Amino acid sequence: GENVEQHPSTLSVQEGDSAVIKCTYSDSASNYFPWYKQELGKRPQLIIDIRSNVGEKKDQRIAVTLNKTAKHFSLHITETQPEDSAVYFCAAQPKLFGSNNNDMRFGAGTRLTVKP
Amino acid sequence: KAGVTQTPRYLIKTRGQQVTLSCSPISGHRSVSWYQQTPGQGLQFLFEYFSETQRNKGNFPGRFSGRQFSNSRSEMNVSTLELGDSALYLCASSLAGTRETQYFGPGTRLLVL
Repeated sequence: GENVEQHPSTLSVQEGDSAVIKCTYSDSASNYFPWYKQELGKRPQLIIDIRSNVGEKKDQRIAVTLNKTAKHFSLHITETQPEDSAVYFCAAQPKLFGSNNNDMRFGAGTRLTVKP
Repeated sequence: KAGVTQTPRYLIKTRGQQVTLSCSPISGHRSVSWYQQTPGQGLQFLFEYFSETQRNKGNFPGRFSGRQFSNSRSEMNVSTLELGDSALYLCASSLAGTRETQYFGPGTRLLVL
């Protein structure tokens, strides 16, 4: 099955700086990589996702890059704001349906703090 | 559209009991997935249901089961509860599966004493 590692576990940045969170995965069959943001006491929310046929995707201040050869993908947040403070989870899912090994695996999470 | 709803929001049970959690997806969504979230293990995928059929299953014991009804509402059952089952149980719905944007419910916080 898939194994996803996420680093760092905590990240503190000054408002306006950039933040980068990295994840590695083990299953080369994984082809869908979402990122979720979870604020304290709230439900996770999808902020961006990428599929394996794309190397980079951007949505305003958020971007995700994928290196299939190295099996790692990263979340980049530019011009951080205090409201970006949350726990961010990466995930990876293989593309095969109907298999017990086709579950979505999550990273352990990164607690991002943006200091004003 | 109304968001994903889960009931109950909080539950306290004792070891050995069983529990049933409910999830109502966004109208029109046919896929419902369940996740367990704990401080120690993070977010873990339990299973996904689509059109009343279990399509994917995570690595959890058989005490964890689920089902989906014709209106896409889903229930999750945990039998013979253990202390380690204390967690936030989240469901998420999407139009067609976990490879699309999933919308999470608020979760059911289960405490097993």
